[in-house]
Amino acid sequence: ETVLTQSPATLSLSPGEGATLSCRASQSVSSYLAWYQQKPGQAPRLLIYDASNRATGIPARFSGSGSGTDFTLSISSLEPEDFAVYYCHQRHNWPLTFGGGTKVEIK
Amino acid sequence: QVQLVESGGGVVQPGGSLRLSCAASGFTFSTYDMHWVRQAPGEGLEWVAAFSYDGSSKHYADSVKGRFTISRDNSKNTLYLQMNSLRAEDTSVFYCAKGRSGSSIFDHWGQGALVTVSS
Repeated sequence: ETVLTQSPATLSLSPGEGATLSCRASQSVSSYLAWYQQKPGQAPRLLIYDASNRATGIPARFSGSGSGTDFTLSISSLEPEDFAVYYCHQRHNWPLTFGGGTKVEIK
Repeated sequence: QVQLVESGGGVVQPGGSLRLSCAASGFTFSTYDMHWVRQAPGEGLEWVAAFSYDGSSKHYADSVKGRFTISRDNSKNTLYLQMNSLRAEDTSVFYCAKGRSGSSIFDHWGQGALVTVSS
């Protein structure tokens, strides 16, 4: 099973600041990595797929990079609605797996 | 627009069974892979099962293999998850998710159905 490790577990930032979230895979997942955002009481929402492609309707302040085992989700300038939990997910190997999540909270 | 609506959740005793349904609309259901993903209270996401659009392949997480069965009825635009031998650790919100364009990228999600396994 491909284990995805996200860091940090919690990121405390202020609106307007930039955020950098990391996801490391236990084995190569090529570029088959996605990022999701989840707010309390809501279903997850697709942000980024195949490492660097923004999903439909996702603002340009969200960007993804990486390949192989190391990936990054960047948020250039946090808006109030961006405070949420973010999960990475790989689809390169069965079983499909998610990272444990990074909570971006208001400082 | 794409809509996924789960139903069938509830409270069940350990060892019991439950069947979840996911009614899909707003897209050609028969041409997309579909998935179940769950989330235990206060925990992260766990992929559960996948069913290819044409029925040629199914995949399961090790934690549910042999106990859960995924199925679909393309004539009814509905995805199912039959859950048997339920355990306390299966207590979760179960989400139905649509695969994006022949992939296992979850581009649309339902609102979730809560399954509670408790005596």
